[in-house]
Amino acid sequence: DAKTTQPNSMESNEEEPVHLPCNHSTISGTDYIHWYRQLPSQGPEYVIHGLTSNVNNRMASLAIAEDRKSSTLILHRATLRDAAVYYCILREAGTASKLTFGTGTRLQVML
Amino acid sequence: GAVVSQHPSWVICKSGTSVKIECRSLDFQATTMFWYRQFPKQSLMLMATSNEGSKATYEQGVEKDKFLINHASLTLSTLTVTSAHPEDSSFYICSARAGTATNEKLFFGSGTQLSVL
Repeated sequence: DAKTTQPNSMESNEEEPVHLPCNHSTISGTDYIHWYRQLPSQGPEYVIHGLTSNVNNRMASLAIAEDRKSSTLILHRATLRDAAVYYCILREAGTASKLTFGTGTRLQVML
Repeated sequence: GAVVSQHPSWVICKSGTSVKIECRSLDFQATTMFWYRQFPKQSLMLMATSNEGSKATYEQGVEKDKFLINHASLTLSTLTVTSAHPEDSSFYICSARAGTATNEKLFFGSGTQLSVL
């Protein structure tokens, strides 16, 4: 699996936008960029994924660099419930490929 | 979204006993499920890939005789920790794939906290 690099931790103020970066310089043309998050004492949950174009859903937005070597997960208005570890993962589509988790970014949301 | 149910949520057992953890896909069929373990303050580590109707594929360093996986139906995979010891105490999480080839996602169970005394 191609490797991703994320900051270990980030802080945000409540109600403000959060930009979580991810570097994936060795990404291949068939790799999708997936984001999952894990709240304390829970299993991870899907956030968003994309291939080349920016993506939006009810949870977040995903901005993908033109060369695809980096991406940014955007939480438009952070709340205390968004405090979690966010994982950026590359996954080849159309195969039974497994999901390999890196260390992720621990997001703290301050009042 | 799809729901994956994992039971039990937590279990405490004596050293030497076996513990079975169930993972069910509630509203979709899952030919492939994944089992992870997670130690405190660490990331998820993939243990094995569970395939319906065939043998599981284990990651390097994971003992297949220690962690028995059975995927007898399209909605159920079980992980049995045999002869559990304190070092097996961990948070075990299952997941299942759902969606199309270009829109595939993983859905995770809520995890099982295993404590071996």
